[in-house]
Amino acid sequence: DAGVIQSPRHEVTEMGQEVTLRCKPISGHDYLFWYRQTMMRGLELLIYFNNNVPIDDSGMPEDRFSAKMPNASFSTLKIQPSEPRDSAVYFCASSWGGRSAETQYFGPGTRLLVL
Amino acid sequence: KQEVTQIPAALSVPEGENLVLNCSFTDSAIYNLQWFRQDPGKGLTSLLLIQSSQREQTSGRLNASLDKSSGRSTLYIAASQPGDSATYLCAVGDGGGSNYKLTFGKGTLLTVNP
Repeated sequence: DAGVIQSPRHEVTEMGQEVTLRCKPISGHDYLFWYRQTMMRGLELLIYFNNNVPIDDSGMPEDRFSAKMPNASFSTLKIQPSEPRDSAVYFCASSWGGRSAETQYFGPGTRLLVL
Repeated sequence: KQEVTQIPAALSVPEGENLVLNCSFTDSAIYNLQWFRQDPGKGLTSLLLIQSSQREQTSGRLNASLDKSSGRSTLYIAASQPGDSATYLCAVGDGGGSNYKLTFGKGTLLTVNP
């Protein structure tokens, strides 16, 4: 299995631009999580989906952030407009709830820098 | 709101030494607790998962303990090796089923010197 795939791996953009991060979960997994990691705040859960439906988006910082999961094999996290304080590493993780959603498999992350 | 604290933030030890990483959490009504490893530029890898009813879990040279009542967990690494150098993250799992969520500490950066 290729594991969780994220793209791009690195993104540099200017303030005000739209940023779209992509994630392909492990095939067969029915949970998908988006996390953000910064030095100041550590790793924080932004939103998670179960069977493509958003379950909890209480961690989404502002209306500038949105996430979608149009099908079981693809999810996007969009920031519009981006701001310098959005600079962070964004991780996607997936798990299989049939046995336990506890074991989450993380992607390599997208390192975002907003200038 | 659950808060997870890890001490120390960084640790440097010589190869072969046994070491302990500490994790504390504020709400003891947890579902389980996990320890993760993060290598630079990479994602997280789960090392050990302890259910709330368990006291410890072992995997090879790693042993994790859980004292739910006091809100503490430790990760013990025996006979440390340079390959153990990484950031170790403690994460508390709350809720269950579709409500399961992880709250992470900021991690301990471990350096094992040859």
